[in-house]
Amino acid sequence: KQEVTQIPAALSVPEGENLVLNCSFTDSAIYNLQWFRQDPGKGLTSLLLIQSSQREQTSGRLNASLDKSSGRSTLYIAASQPGDSATYLCAVSLLNDMRFGAGTRLTVKP
Amino acid sequence: NAGVTQTPKFQVLKTGQSMTLQCAQDMNHEYMSWYRQDPGMGLRLIHYSVGAGITDQGEVPNGYNVSRSTTEDFPLRLLSAAPSQTSVYFCASRDRGPNGYTFGSGTRLTVV
Repeated sequence: KQEVTQIPAALSVPEGENLVLNCSFTDSAIYNLQWFRQDPGKGLTSLLLIQSSQREQTSGRLNASLDKSSGRSTLYIAASQPGDSATYLCAVSLLNDMRFGAGTRLTVKP
Repeated sequence: NAGVTQTPKFQVLKTGQSMTLQCAQDMNHEYMSWYRQDPGMGLRLIHYSVGAGITDQGEVPNGYNVSRSTTEDFPLRLLSAAPSQTSVYFCASRDRGPNGYTFGSGTRLTVV
């Protein structure tokens, strides 16, 4: 059974810091990996999608990497801003469904 | 372009009542899924569909039914609501290609 773990569960940083969120999964037979952002009481916003054949994807200040063989992905956020405060979810796709981690709650202090 | 639309946004049910959560997408996506989100547990898959007329169970299917009579719609039925079904429910869809999932804005359900 695919298990997805995100570390840390919560993170608080001062504005301007670069930070890394970690995601690990137990079964490397994934279709793709997706990082989402969720604001309190809101839905999920897709940030980055990495296909199983890719190593990384970038969008603005965000960079996500994927190492299938070791079952790890990281989300790098450069020059963090208070507006980045949210919960970040990692999800691996098994073609017909997705398995989610419990998320990392990020707080960026002004 | 509406994307994935879920209704209602909020609902309070009494134990034992039944109801249907609606999900519709206008992107002609073949894959559709229902998830529930509980505090500290992430999202868990309830049921999914790979096309009209085809559905299957996910991790936590007990107490829920689904059907997929059209490509656009994927309703989730609670047969006899229980307090353990208090949760936020999300519907998601994607196409057959390499693209990721698009999520609806969720339905917050409270069973008293």
